[in-house]
Amino acid sequence: EVQLVESGGGLVQPGGSLRLSCAASGFPFTYYWMNWVRQAPGKGLVWVARINGDGSSTGYADSVRGRFTISRDNGKHTLFLQMNGLRDEDTAVYYCTRDPGNWLDPWGQGTLVTVSS
Amino acid sequence: QSALTQPPSASGSPGQSVTISCTGTSSDVGGYNYVSWYQQHPGKAPKLMIYEVNKRPSGVPDRFSGSKSGNTASLTVSGLQADDEADYYCMSYAGSDNYVFGSGTKVTVL
Repeated sequence: EVQLVESGGGLVQPGGSLRLSCAASGFPFTYYWMNWVRQAPGKGLVWVARINGDGSSTGYADSVRGRFTISRDNGKHTLFLQMNGLRDEDTAVYYCTRDPGNWLDPWGQGTLVTVSS
Repeated sequence: QSALTQPPSASGSPGQSVTISCTGTSSDVGGYNYVSWYQQHPGKAPKLMIYEVNKRPSGVPDRFSGSKSGNTASLTVSGLQADDEADYYCMSYAGSDNYVFGSGTKVTVL
């Protein structure tokens, strides 16, 4: 069974940093692009970042480019999102999701990041 | 990277059909056959319902169908059931390893 389990969310002050992790299992992790998608409370889905199988190619939403970094450890089947310079508007549930070919399936259960003083 | 435009809400009675539109530009929806649709129940993670405009993943009922014309994609849910009540989001590839989501549509089963 394909599983994606996010961790690392929590409360952080504006300007602070946080690193999210996503443990993947049940599929050949190295072969797949992976993504992070976020959802602010009561709002819609927003794509955040994308990384290819060997980590050599990445893409970012304009709102996070230069502040967030997506990476992966294929030996540990783990996806990461390093978030620096956090702002109030980064408060959201962050989902990890597999990318079989320009669509997203499945999704993890999400981890909540709250940016507040 | 502006969000794709979806109607905020749609509704229908059990057994009826509802169609949700998703309007973008030639740089996203109109430029690629990589439109997908996601269903999200309250408090749950999104679930893939349609990919590559009109393909259904295994396990998704054939009551769900997708189409595209120009810069607008559509999701049709036929034979509405109570469990279809949820938020629905479209997503399109937008080039340069980027994606863009729609604004979301809340479907109510009357």
